[in-house]
Amino acid sequence: RKEVEQDPGPFNVPEGATVAFNCTYSNSASQSFFWYRQDCRKEPKLLMSVYSSGNEDGRFTAQLNRASQYISLLIRDSKLSDSATYLCVVPQAGGSYIPTFGRGTSLIVHP
Amino acid sequence: GAVVSQHPSRVICKSGTSVKIECRSLDFQATTMFWYRQFPKQSLMLMATSNEGSKATYEQGVEKDKFLINHASLTLSTLTVTSAHPEDSSFYICSARVSSLEAFFGQGTRLTVV
Repeated sequence: RKEVEQDPGPFNVPEGATVAFNCTYSNSASQSFFWYRQDCRKEPKLLMSVYSSGNEDGRFTAQLNRASQYISLLIRDSKLSDSATYLCVVPQAGGSYIPTFGRGTSLIVHP
Repeated sequence: GAVVSQHPSRVICKSGTSVKIECRSLDFQATTMFWYRQFPKQSLMLMATSNEGSKATYEQGVEKDKFLINHASLTLSTLTVTSAHPEDSSFYICSARVSSLEAFFGQGTRLTVV
């Protein structure tokens, strides 16, 4: 099993829709998780962090399921500007924070 | 928030030449920086972890003699792609660890070897 796995998509949704994608991880000892957003040919930018059960920021909700070892990202009321690749980041095993990225999930929001 | 500056953002070089990419932390000291490479439609792959004042730790499959990393100060790490070949064309991104739980990323460098 890969350390971090994501469905590459693309997820193609209309404006206003609610969309969710998951990220599974293999290191059961991981304590912190992150969602990054990456626009084409740009650097990843931190979207949300997840330290315990979940986190909510406006239209975005991130949740953690430790038993099944996955985190999810829910986007409500999708905007055209939400179109991007969403990267899940899980620290590598060993305690020191070395970001390990999933492949990313592509989201396309259309009018 | 913390800012990481990466330079150049885009470079085109001839096959066989060397290219240096700089990564600077502008408003904080970074004892640890990471270098990643991203090929089209693929994830960011960690190449190496750079620690200030010591040798970099390379991931399996990454040639340390080809990808030279220098982290001589707390605010600067450099990646030099030596004897570049077309297959080295990629998007290179650096990241600086801010704390035990967070890292910030540079803008990335698009390298094209012709």
